[in-house]
Amino acid sequence: EPEVTQTPSHQVTQMGQEVILRCVPISNHLYFYWYRQILGQKVEFLVSFYNNEISEKSEIFDDQFSVERPDGSNFTLKIRSTKLEDSAMYFCASTLPGTGKTQYFGPGTRLLVL
Amino acid sequence: AQKVTQAQTEISVVEKEDVTLDCVYETRDTTYYLFWYKQPPSGELVFLIRRNSFDEQNEISGRYSWNFQKSTSSFNFTITASQVVDSAVYFCALSGDNYGQNFVFGPGTRLSVLP
Repeated sequence: EPEVTQTPSHQVTQMGQEVILRCVPISNHLYFYWYRQILGQKVEFLVSFYNNEISEKSEIFDDQFSVERPDGSNFTLKIRSTKLEDSAMYFCASTLPGTGKTQYFGPGTRLLVL
Repeated sequence: AQKVTQAQTEISVVEKEDVTLDCVYETRDTTYYLFWYKQPPSGELVFLIRRNSFDEQNEISGRYSWNFQKSTSSFNFTITASQVVDSAVYFCALSGDNYGQNFVFGPGTRLSVLP
């Protein structure tokens, strides 16, 4: 069964460094999303992406964040200058119109900023 | 604004007990979708069920059942004969009718099933 994949599974970085989190959505899906979950807290929306542009973004998604679909398969989240509070699990999700809005989530990337 | 409330922060049951997880939502949309996701200790989010606002038919799937009550804005989830493998955090989520819209997740309920 097709699934969303994410790499890396874990990343440790120094504060101020740039990180790129990678996702491969399910191949025929059209809408892509990034969420984050700070340890022990709820899942929070960051951004949605369709037709090579951002559809919606939350207040969390400030100028430090950017998303890109550089080719036909990858969907990336870049954090330009990481802060300690960016430490979280980052989930990518995708959906296909006609499937009742169900978003299928990847396994997550656990980011630790030191 | 959309909001999802899961009043139960943590629940502990003994194996084989039935357990119901509560979810109450708020939305102004006339068409919306409700979901339950399971997050086991390994951390991934596993889709369990989806319901749309115009389908109040409740469902039983194996040991899982769902009770959608539009009149009380509730979408509760019951596990019968719980098992240790059911131990996880369970999230209720709400989406509007626009695909570009995000999910609004509840805070989650941590279920511990003790042997």
